[in-house]
Amino acid sequence: GAVVSQHPSWVICKSGTSVKIECRSLDFQATTMFWYRQFPKQSLMLMATSNEGSKATYEQGVEKDKFLINHASLTLSTLTVTSAHPEDSSFYICSARSGRAVETQYFGPGTRLLVL
Amino acid sequence: AQTVTQSQPEMSVQEAETVTLSCTYDTSESDYYLFWYKQPPSRQMILVIRQEAYKQQNATENRFSVNFQKAAKSFSLKISDSQLGDAAMYFCAYRSAYAGGTSYGKLTFGQGTILTVHP
Repeated sequence: GAVVSQHPSWVICKSGTSVKIECRSLDFQATTMFWYRQFPKQSLMLMATSNEGSKATYEQGVEKDKFLINHASLTLSTLTVTSAHPEDSSFYICSARSGRAVETQYFGPGTRLLVL
Repeated sequence: AQTVTQSQPEMSVQEAETVTLSCTYDTSESDYYLFWYKQPPSRQMILVIRQEAYKQQNATENRFSVNFQKAAKSFSLKISDSQLGDAAMYFCAYRSAYAGGTSYGKLTFGQGTILTVHP
């Protein structure tokens, strides 16, 4: 099956710093990538949809200036948490969809962020 | 907007027994996809089974099968011959089949059901 990677798998940072998370589709071209946030034992909440070469579409309530998303190529999308605060600590998951297999999303393994 | 509801926060089953996880959804669309995803302790999301709304036949995948009731907007997952490796959090998800829009293909998830399998 298709493989999606995320880097880093976990990160600890100080409050006020910025953190970048990468999402890569390893064996297919991802026309669309999705970024989710998940708190322990809770559901995945969609943050934004990232389409290659265009601006991301953010869900209601998600701060665009706080969570910067870039989808510069068909295999890479990045999520940057700017000026991170402890309340941004969470599990961030990306998923990718190819143009051909439109009904299937492939999920990355997730990134655990802890802001001290 | 579509909503997905999983009313069972936790379920448990004995190994080798059968368990059914419930899911209901609300939509005004007639064409869509429904999914069950499994999230084990590793937190990697794994697709268990998929159902196209236009298909009347219930999807099956080895020990996993669904009971899709379109009129009732119900989509339950049956796990037969439960195994210890089935222990995980299970999510029901909805996706519109309509193309277009910048969020085309996005999934709406239910709250999740934690499944415990007892040996």
